[in-house]
Amino acid sequence: NAGVMQNPRHLVRRRGQEARLRCSPMKGHSHVYWYRQLPEEGLKFMVYLQKENIIDESGMPKERFSAEFPKEGPSILRIQQVVRGDSAAYFCASSPTDFYNEQFFGPGTRLTVL
Amino acid sequence: LAKTTQPISMDSYEGQEVNITCSHNNIATNDYITWYQQFPSQGPRFIIQGYKTKVTNEVASLFIPADRKSSTLSLPRVSLSDTAVYYCLVVTGAGSYQLTFGKGTKLSVIP
Repeated sequence: NAGVMQNPRHLVRRRGQEARLRCSPMKGHSHVYWYRQLPEEGLKFMVYLQKENIIDESGMPKERFSAEFPKEGPSILRIQQVVRGDSAAYFCASSPTDFYNEQFFGPGTRLTVL
Repeated sequence: LAKTTQPISMDSYEGQEVNITCSHNNIATNDYITWYQQFPSQGPRFIIQGYKTKVTNEVASLFIPADRKSSTLSLPRVSLSDTAVYYCLVVTGAGSYQLTFGKGTKLSVIP
């Protein structure tokens, strides 16, 4: 059973460009979470999605950031008009249900904004 | 959610037992203590979760005193591959989707 997959693993963008990060949850998991980790910091919750629904986006910046988890295909975290402060590692996690004692994390996407 | 406090870093020699203590003074009745491990350039990995007394699995043990204001993660006979950051989290109920990670404890295992 493959784990959570994220791509790309590394992404370089210039200021003002768009970044698209993809996450495929573990097989059988319909709950997806996105986290952001700044250097030397812990992970910060961004958004929680189920298929075709955003359940909680309280950790998402109000502008430029959006997330989706379509009926078919991976979950996408989209950052428009990136700025240098968006440089971070973005992790996706999944679980089979919402209240479950373990989230399974992917390897992350490291975004660098030049 | 209860705030957690743990040491920033620890060093240990190979083969020793390592104990990492976490303080969570404001833990609520419905809260559980959960530990995750993160290797460099990887996502965190669940290690263990407990509510009170002692929990043991194939990786670690978790000790929680009666007042539940602190907990101790115990790693038996560490090896170089245990070098990682260890995060103590307090989660509401049996599971919580919004995990709150602090800065964790960076464990360095020395040969």
